[in-house]
Amino acid sequence: DAMVIQNPRYQVTQFGKPVTLSCSQTLNHNVMYWYQQKSSQAPKLLFHYYDKDFNNEADTPDNFQSRRPNTSFCFLDIRSPGLGDAAMYLCATSATGILSYEQYFGPGTRLTVT
Amino acid sequence: SQQGEEDPQALSIQEGENATMNCSYKTSINNLQWYRQNSGRGLVHLILIRSNEREKHSGRLRVTLDTSKKSSSLLITASRAADTASYFCATDGGGGFKTIFGAGTRLFVKA
Repeated sequence: DAMVIQNPRYQVTQFGKPVTLSCSQTLNHNVMYWYQQKSSQAPKLLFHYYDKDFNNEADTPDNFQSRRPNTSFCFLDIRSPGLGDAAMYLCATSATGILSYEQYFGPGTRLTVT
Repeated sequence: SQQGEEDPQALSIQEGENATMNCSYKTSINNLQWYRQNSGRGLVHLILIRSNEREKHSGRLRVTLDTSKKSSSLLITASRAADTASYFCATDGGGGFKTIFGAGTRLFVKA
């Protein structure tokens, strides 16, 4: 089945130690998103890619970077994780055109910072 | 503040009852979506309603949209224990791929 896959599901990193979260999709969607979701809060959009065009949200900290080497894969890099970056990170995809707004989410990666 | 605000924050009902959740937003939109999230999991798209639509149905779900009041409601009829989840509205903020989620309603359906 076509899907959005996130690895790992759980990630523990140390304060200040760079960490990379990965997302892959078999849906062949043009748009990929990264969200941060803290406990009992709404998902917050960090950035999205439209093909290779990167779109950063204005309030996304510089500590967060992203790479999209091809259509299928997208990475979230946290350069120097702080305790406040502990959260669930959700990857999502969407098509373009008439169905462009429906997003398909992966299961998320729960990041713990020690 | 967030585009979408939802109420109630939490709702507890008995199986078989209807559940209604409300969402308000601040700016103009092209569409509004509802998503469900089971505990610790990703979100699942439920339904999308466009700004020129007033009501939409999908199975046991009914969504209404009032653009003059900048509000939407999600009704789940004949709820089941499996409907226990958090429900979020999401708006497009008027264009593009920017998506803004509301704070969500946590629904508990007791068997």
